[in-house]
Amino acid sequence: AQTVTQSQPEMSVQEAETVTLSCTYDTSESDYYLFWYKQPPSRQMILVIRQEAYKQQNATENRFSVNFQKAAKSFSLKISDSQLGDAAMYFCAYRSAMSGNTPLVFGKGTRLSVIA
Amino acid sequence: DGGITQSPKYLFRKEGQNVTLSCEQNLNHDAMYWYRQDPGQGLRLIYYSQIVNDFQKGDIAEGYSVSREKKESFPLTVTSAQKNPTAFYLCASSKLGTAVDQPQHFGDGTRLSIL
Repeated sequence: AQTVTQSQPEMSVQEAETVTLSCTYDTSESDYYLFWYKQPPSRQMILVIRQEAYKQQNATENRFSVNFQKAAKSFSLKISDSQLGDAAMYFCAYRSAMSGNTPLVFGKGTRLSVIA
Repeated sequence: DGGITQSPKYLFRKEGQNVTLSCEQNLNHDAMYWYRQDPGQGLRLIYYSQIVNDFQKGDIAEGYSVSREKKESFPLTVTSAQKNPTAFYLCASSKLGTAVDQPQHFGDGTRLSIL
C-alpha cells in the first residue's frame, strides 16, 4: 500500500517570503500522480498543483512550484511571495495511475501560518 | 454551475442512531468517494464507487455503509456500529480517466457530532 508522509505538522512564513513544505511517499509503482491540496479555514479542498510521475519537468502554477525527485520519492511544495491568503492546511496526496479512478492517499497535512 | 453538494452542513447523532450524509454531483462524474477527516490525521478513505451499483471499501469502512443507485448520488450511512463518528466528512467525485489524470472535485463537507 502507498503511504504519504508530511514531516512538518506546522510551518510559518513571513509575508512576501518563500516557504517550502516537505512531502515524501512510498510506492512500488512507476506511474502515478502527485498533488498538493490547500484547505483554508472554510474547510474547502482546493487543488493547488499536480505532477505526473512520468514528467521530468517540475510543475509550476503562478507562485506555487514543486520539486519532484522521483528516485528519492520526494515532492516538496514551494510557495513564493507568500500572502496572508496562503494561510491554510496543506495536504500532499498520491494517486495511482493504474486503470480506473483510484482514490487519493493523503498525508496528515502541514498547517501554514503567514505572519504579516 | 456544476458541483458537488453535501448536506447537511452540520449533523448530530444520538447514541445508537444511524444517520445518513448526502452527496450529490451534477458534474456527470463516474467515480465518487467518501473521506473522513480528523485533526492531525489528514483525510482517510471510507468508501469509493467507480460505477453505479458498485463500490469498494476504503481503509476505514467499518461502521459505515454506502449505496450507489444513481450516478449522481453517493449517500453515506454512519451506523451505530461506528463508535467514534465525530469527524468532518468530505465527498469527492472525478471523471473516468485513462491517459489523462482526472482530478477529484470536493464538496464542502459535513461536520458530524455526537449528542
